[in-house]
Amino acid sequence: QVTLRESGPALVKPTQTLTLTCTFSGFSLSTSGVSVSWIRQPPGKALEWLALIDWEDDKYYSTSLKTRLTISKDTSKNRVVLTMTNMDPVDTATYYCARIRSVGAPFDYWGQGTLVTVSS
Amino acid sequence: EIVLTQSPGTLSLSPGERATLSCRASESLSSTFLAWYQQKPGQAPRLLIYAASSRATGIPDRFSGSGSGTDFTLTISKLEPEDSAVYYCQQYGGSPMYTFGQGTKLEI
Repeated sequence: QVTLRESGPALVKPTQTLTLTCTFSGFSLSTSGVSVSWIRQPPGKALEWLALIDWEDDKYYSTSLKTRLTISKDTSKNRVVLTMTNMDPVDTATYYCARIRSVGAPFDYWGQGTLVTVSS
Repeated sequence: EIVLTQSPGTLSLSPGERATLSCRASESLSSTFLAWYQQKPGQAPRLLIYAASSRATGIPDRFSGSGSGTDFTLTISKLEPEDSAVYYCQQYGGSPMYTFGQGTKLEI
């Protein structure tokens, strides 16, 4: 059974760097075609795709946030980490990680999300 | 950048009725790469439809997707109160790789 769980700080200060961890089970990020992505959702607003890392360690980023994001994986620990630099109050959102089971597939399993508030 | 525009913003219907939700892309999409998600308050999105018309595992056949090119539709027949949610369309495979629409809120 596939599960994903996001973890990280609930509160960060402006200009700080956010580090989020997605811990998953029920699949391996070393399996051909599998990817994990990060998506966020500000309160009451729409979903926004952030980043993706695939089984070959290829990485893709949102054009608008590319300079602030870094995604990485630890296959042996079934974890994917997202860092976002220079946090601002507009980055307040629920951050989700999700699995893509094969190339050209949508997000079939999601974590429950973690709310990050940016405030001094 | 591909932009997805959903309409209407809010849809209010009664149980048993049919809902028709629209998603329009700013440029032509391959049907293979269009999905629909359902999100209820306080929950993560749930995959309903992928490849424009294929139901995800466990999704009842009251939910159906159609469309091609720039115009896609999610239809929910025989509405039930638990169908109340926000519905998002998503394209996957373009540049940027993934884009979501702004959502349609369905009230039953």
